[in-house]
Parts: sequence; C-alpha cells; structure tokens
Amino acid sequence: GDSVTQMEGPVTLSEEAFLTINCTYTATGYPSLFWYVQYPGEGLQLLLKATKADDKGSNKGFEATYRKETTSFHLEKGSVQVSDSAVYFCALSDTGTASKLTFGTGTRLQVTL
Amino acid sequence: ETGVTQTPRHLVMGMTNKKSLKCEQHLGHNAMYWYKQSAKKPLELMFVYNFKEQTENNSVPSRFSPECPNSSHLFLHLHTLQPEDSALYLCASSRDTSRRTDTQYFGPGTRLTVL
Repeated sequence: GDSVTQMEGPVTLSEEAFLTINCTYTATGYPSLFWYVQYPGEGLQLLLKATKADDKGSNKGFEATYRKETTSFHLEKGSVQVSDSAVYFCALSDTGTASKLTFGTGTRLQVTL
Repeated sequence: ETGVTQTPRHLVMGMTNKKSLKCEQHLGHNAMYWYKQSAKKPLELMFVYNFKEQTENNSVPSRFSPECPNSSHLFLHLHTLQPEDSALYLCASSRDTSRRTDTQYFGPGTRLTVL
C-alpha cells in the first residue's frame, strides 16, 4: 500500500538558516504530493503541492520538487524565520484512491533567534 | 465565516457520556472527511462523505457515528468512548473525491479528552 516517510524531528535551526525536511513515498499509481503545515493550536494548512513528476511546488519561500526517480518530495527553504516554527506533514493522494490522503508522521521545526 | 469551522474546539467527556462534534465548510465543496490525529502517529482517515453519501469507513469502531445531513455539514457522534480515543479530531473538505490533484482544506480541530 501507499506510505510516506518523513525525517524524524524535532529540527532546530537558527533564524536565516537553510531548511531541508526529507520526504520519501511509496505508491502504486501516479500520486499527487503535498506539504501541509500545522501551527500550534491550529489545523493543517496546505503549504504547496505537485501533481506530476518534475513539478515544483512553491509558496511563502518554501519549495519542493516531485522526483519520481528517487520517490522523494523534500521540502526546502533558503532562510527560515521564527514564524516558520510548526509541524510539517508530507502527504500523497494516489490514483484510484483520490479521496485518501496518506500522511507522514510530521516533522516539528523550531526556529530560534 | 470562511473555510472550515469546527465546534467545540475542546471537549472533555466521561466514558459514559454522549457528545457530538460539528464541522461546517463554507467553500462550496461536496466531499467532507473526519481524521484522527494522535501523538506520534500519522493522521488517520476515519470517514469520507461525497455528496452526502458515505464512501469510506476506515474500520472505525461503532462508538464513532458520523452524520452528513448536507454537503456543508458533518457531525461525529460519540458514545461510550475509551481513554485511548483522546486525540485531535480534524474535519476537512474538498471539491469532491474524484481527483487526486484536489486539495483538502482542514478545520482547526476539536481536542477531545476522554476521562
């Protein structure tokens, strides 16, 4: 079945540092890939998505590229801010199971001054 | 109100109580979802409704009973819960369930504690 694997957290960075959160997936079809972010006390918000191989999703300075050859969708940001502190979830939606989002366990990011 | 709203935001209940969680979406969507978020576990899909019809029940115990009276409202009725049911319950909606490219929009969740 489908699965998503994220790097273990927490990830602690200083402000303006470079961020990478790794995400790899296993899927039987041609999935769409998503990054969601959850700020403290809130629900999940879509951060970015990519729907086919080699697509790059981007939003708020965050980027992720859909790499079919390595089955990866790593999240990157060039310069993090304290306000980026949150939990980040990688997820996929596969062909034939469009209603089912399969999530990773989430990676907590803590950015300090 | 915009987006997806959930009430109550926090709920404490005993194992013999009956309570309900409410979700409302203002996005004109036709699909609605219940998820369970427990500490250190991936989000678990519980139920899916598409055009008011239940299309997924992910082996959820019968002490959780969903209801979808229309495409804008979704309820989760709770009775005789167990302490291990304590979690954040998230509601989401999407245009419908036909496209893998569609985004699901989430509410803020209800933090449930079962004593």
